[in-house]
Amino acid sequence: NAGVTQTPKFRVLKTGQSMTLLCAQDMNHEYMYWYRQDPGMGLRLIHYSVGEGTTAKGEVPDGYNVSRLKKQNFLLGLESAAPSQTSVYFCASRQSGTGAREEQYFGPGTRLTVT
Amino acid sequence: AQSVTQLGSHVSVSEGALVLLRCNYSSSVPPYLFWYVQYPNQGLQLLLKYTSAATLVKGINGFEAEFKKSETSFHLTKPSAHMSDAAEYFCAVSDAINTGTASKLTFGTGTRLQVTL
Repeated sequence: NAGVTQTPKFRVLKTGQSMTLLCAQDMNHEYMYWYRQDPGMGLRLIHYSVGEGTTAKGEVPDGYNVSRLKKQNFLLGLESAAPSQTSVYFCASRQSGTGAREEQYFGPGTRLTVT
Repeated sequence: AQSVTQLGSHVSVSEGALVLLRCNYSSSVPPYLFWYVQYPNQGLQLLLKYTSAATLVKGINGFEAEFKKSETSFHLTKPSAHMSDAAEYFCAVSDAINTGTASKLTFGTGTRLQVTL
């Protein structure tokens, strides 16, 4: 199993450009999450999904959109990038099984710089 | 609402010394608690988790943590540090105990562990 993979690994954008980050998992997990990691702030939840076709807002959703058209994929979009979105983005997934006791599995991250 | 406080953004220990990373939590429901480790330029990896069974939880790489409800703490320890333990460590609390819900994790701000010779 590849686990959770993220594409791309690195990206540099100019202010106002758009891009999509792709997360894929091969563990048949129902739940998927997008986080951003900034120095001194830990990980903050952007959006999450409880299943194919469903998405919900997390703690810091502004400026981002997501889609979950297939169970194994969770896309994070930036329509008009801003320097404040410079961050490392992590995707995670979790099985629904026994609920909150289940761990989340993380991808390797995407380092995004917006100039 | 849930929250996690990790005391000390940087901790430095000598190789062979005790590692103690502190985590205090606040939760409106009985918590599930997690410790994750992040090696440089990598994603997060689960070290251990507390899910209301034994209060002393053993994880990978010789780490363990003890859940203390009276102190609302879940400190991470390892008796003898190794150079390979140098990483960033995150404590996290889950916001739900029910099955069938998309429980969300609230992370602390992380503690960077440095191990010196």
